[in-house]
Amino acid sequence: DIQMTQSPSSLSASVGDRVTIICRASQSISTSLHWYQQKPGKAPKLVIYGASSLERGVPSRFSGSGSGTDFILTISSLQPEDFATYYCQQSFNSPPTFGGGSKVEFK
Amino acid sequence: QVQLQESGPGLVKPSETLSLTCTLSGASISNYFCSWIRQPAGKGLEYVGRIHPGGSVSYNSSLQSRVTMSLDTSKNQFSLMLDSMSAADTAVYYCATISYSGYMPYWGQGTQVTVSS
Repeated sequence: DIQMTQSPSSLSASVGDRVTIICRASQSISTSLHWYQQKPGKAPKLVIYGASSLERGVPSRFSGSGSGTDFILTISSLQPEDFATYYCQQSFNSPPTFGGGSKVEFK
Repeated sequence: QVQLQESGPGLVKPSETLSLTCTLSGASISNYFCSWIRQPAGKGLEYVGRIHPGGSVSYNSSLQSRVTMSLDTSKNQFSLMLDSMSAADTAVYYCATISYSGYMPYWGQGTQVTVSS
């Protein structure tokens, strides 16, 4: 199975900060990489698909980049509703696998 | 608007079989790959398996010997059965659709399943 590693596992930030989260795959996955946001007690919500495509309804302050093994999720100006845990997921090979999550906390 | 809703028992005894159902509304299940994902408390997401609209299945190899998924297009539902439950299977179980590109755009709210005698 392809292993997905996220960093950092947690970070503290303030409203208005620029936040970046890294996801690395154990082998090349082209752009078959997707990002989800999960708030406590809620289901994950798709944010970015295909490494860089913004899901409908997601604010444009979210962006994704990368290909091959290294990927980045960026929140350009953190808003109060963005405090959550973010997961990456690869779909290059079956089974789909997720990163361990990156929790964005209030500083 | 596509919505999914899980249903099933919240408590299962060790060694028994878990049975969960996911009902899709707002769209035909015949148009979607459907999957189950689980998440132990405080931990990450684990793919359980998926079922194709035609009925073919693909399971996580770590669970393959214990998992069965099925589809009921007349009810717009798909189901998960997981045999020989143990405490390690205690988790929130989500159903979700999977696009052809492999991302999961629609999720149910999740259902807590606890394994305990």
